[in-house]
Amino acid sequence: AQSVTQLGSHVSVSEGALVLLRCNYSSSVPPYLFWYVQYPNQGLQLLLKYTSAATLVKGINGFEAEFKKSETSFHLTKPSAHMSDAAEYFCAVSVNTNAGKSTFGDGTTLTVKP
Amino acid sequence: EAGVTQSPTHLIKTRGQQATLRCSPISGHTSVYWYQQALGLGLQFLLWYDEGEERNRGNFPPRFSGRQFPNYSSELNVNALELEDSALYLCASSFGYSAGSGANVLTFGAGSRLTVL
Repeated sequence: AQSVTQLGSHVSVSEGALVLLRCNYSSSVPPYLFWYVQYPNQGLQLLLKYTSAATLVKGINGFEAEFKKSETSFHLTKPSAHMSDAAEYFCAVSVNTNAGKSTFGDGTTLTVKP
Repeated sequence: EAGVTQSPTHLIKTRGQQATLRCSPISGHTSVYWYQQALGLGLQFLLWYDEGEERNRGNFPPRFSGRQFPNYSSELNVNALELEDSALYLCASSFGYSAGSGANVLTFGAGSRLTVL
């Protein structure tokens, strides 16, 4: 079975600072990895996904994530935080053998201070 | 193109009652997923339907059930409601199950917030 651990349920950064949200996964088969964002009172939206092509994945809104197999990590970064980035972020893992059952982390709430 | 739509937006029930939540997927998507997002508990997988069949089920009691209709819309039923069933219920859709479909992106609706008093 696959699993995801997001380190840090709350992350606070200043506007313009680096954003780093951590995600570690566990999977016995090659995984697909996703980052989703949830704004208040909305569903989740895809930020980016890793599907075994390039290990550095670029997503929307300036976010990117790097797949590191040796570290079983898929951390999300953004060079400069904007106030509009304040939201909850979820890392998810899926595998072909259990397609359809994406497993989500517990989420990280990002606060951006002016 | 219409996104994933869920109804009702809010639902208030009392313990022991039944709740029915509905979901319409994006056109062309044949898979529908249900997740429970309770306060402080992240997203918990409930059910996955594809082509009208239940493909997978999360670790929830049998009083959580659902179905998928021929037009691929779906409904989630929760019987004998308990206080801890209060949560945001998210529906998502994707292209159907096939080789490599682990890479399918889920498109989520805005959710149905169920409050059990």
